[in-house]
Order: sequence, then C-alpha cells, then structure tokens
Amino acid sequence: AQKITQTQPGMFVQEKEAVTLDCTYDTSDQSYGLFWYKQPSSGEMIFLIYQGSYDEQNATEGRYSLNFQKARKSANLVISASQLGDSAMYFCAMREGLMDSNYQLIWGAGTKLIIKP
Amino acid sequence: DSGVTQTPKHLITATGQRVTLRCSPRSGDLSVYWYQQSLDQGLQFLIQYYNGEERAKGNILERFSAQQFPDLHSELNLSSLELGDSALYFCASSVSGGLVDIQYFGAGTRLSVL
Repeated sequence: AQKITQTQPGMFVQEKEAVTLDCTYDTSDQSYGLFWYKQPSSGEMIFLIYQGSYDEQNATEGRYSLNFQKARKSANLVISASQLGDSAMYFCAMREGLMDSNYQLIWGAGTKLIIKP
Repeated sequence: DSGVTQTPKHLITATGQRVTLRCSPRSGDLSVYWYQQSLDQGLQFLIQYYNGEERAKGNILERFSAQQFPDLHSELNLSSLELGDSALYFCASSVSGGLVDIQYFGAGTRLSVL
C-alpha cells in the first residue's frame, strides 16, 4: 500500500486564488513528521513546511499553511493568494518515528501546479 | 539558496563509464542523503551518511557507492553506467538525521547517459 498519496497529478489555478494540494498518508506509528517540498521547472527541491504528528496547531510559513487532520490522515498544503512563481511540482513526504525506518523520507508522486495569469 | 552545494550541475557520459557526484552540506549539518529522481521511478532514497558513517541504505544499486569524508562533504560514485541511470541526483543535508530534522536539498546533478 502506498504510504503517501497525492491524488491530484495536475492542477490549474487562477492567479491570486487560494489553492489546496491534497496529501493523505498511511502509518501505524504515533510519532511521525510530514513535509512539503516545491520543485520548480529549474529542478531544485525547496523545503516549504513541516508538521509533526504531536503538533496541536497547523503549521504556517508565510503564504503556506498545512491543513493537518490527524484522524483522517491528511496533510493538505494550502497556498494563499497564489502567484505565477508558485507554478511547480509539489511533493508531500513523511518520516516515520519507527526505529527500523531509519527516519527515511517517504515521498508522494507529486502534484504539478500551474498558476494562470 | 539552501546552502547545499552540488557539483557538477550537468554531466553527460557514455554507457559503461564511471562518474563521481560531489556534495557539500550546509554548514553545521552532519547528515547527508542522496536521492535519485527519474521520470518513471519518482524520488528514490539511495543512502544516508551521518558524521562519516553510513546510517541507512535505500534502493541503491551495487554499481553505486558513496562516502562522507572527515570534512563532511560526500561523493556518490556511479559505475558501469547504463541508459537507465540517467536521472536527476540530489544531495540533501540535515543537522542530525532525526525524526524532526528538515532535509535541505542541493540543486541537483542532472546525469545523462548516452
């Protein structure tokens, strides 16, 4: 079974609108971390935001926020007031706290976001 | 700029050859990770080093090897290259490699095997 599922292969959003990128995860561990990364067409992988499983509040970083719903095992990324520069691939990743996981990051397949002017 | 430096940015070589990819982690980071990103396989974890010691191994082929040096820079060696090894190779670094550690990525080395 896939541990990280990003169900939206691609999305088109109008500039200045908010956008939500979906991510669901599967783990039996109580302690885990969730990450979002952005990969523009230039190729670099840019860290955006982190949410720990024990964090009581949703993480926010500027225009990025993470809608964390633990019971539903979802960690959706919300980008407010989208900009043309937000066009990129977005990856959700998880790190489990299990010792035998060696804390490796497990990656989703990504969502390609295109912002329309 | 993440602070992680990867060289070279691009590498074009032929099948059967050997190449070395280099990574300098962020200042203060002890852990280095190598990833391979290909169109058909997505992002695959290859190997992790922590303070010079191998900590975790992922889907790394036997033709591939890596090491982390005393100055904490790391090299990924790819030998007997095949067409299928063409990919974007990332290095990432983090402070300790623990659960809440953030991995910061370099810009990647794009390898083309012809």
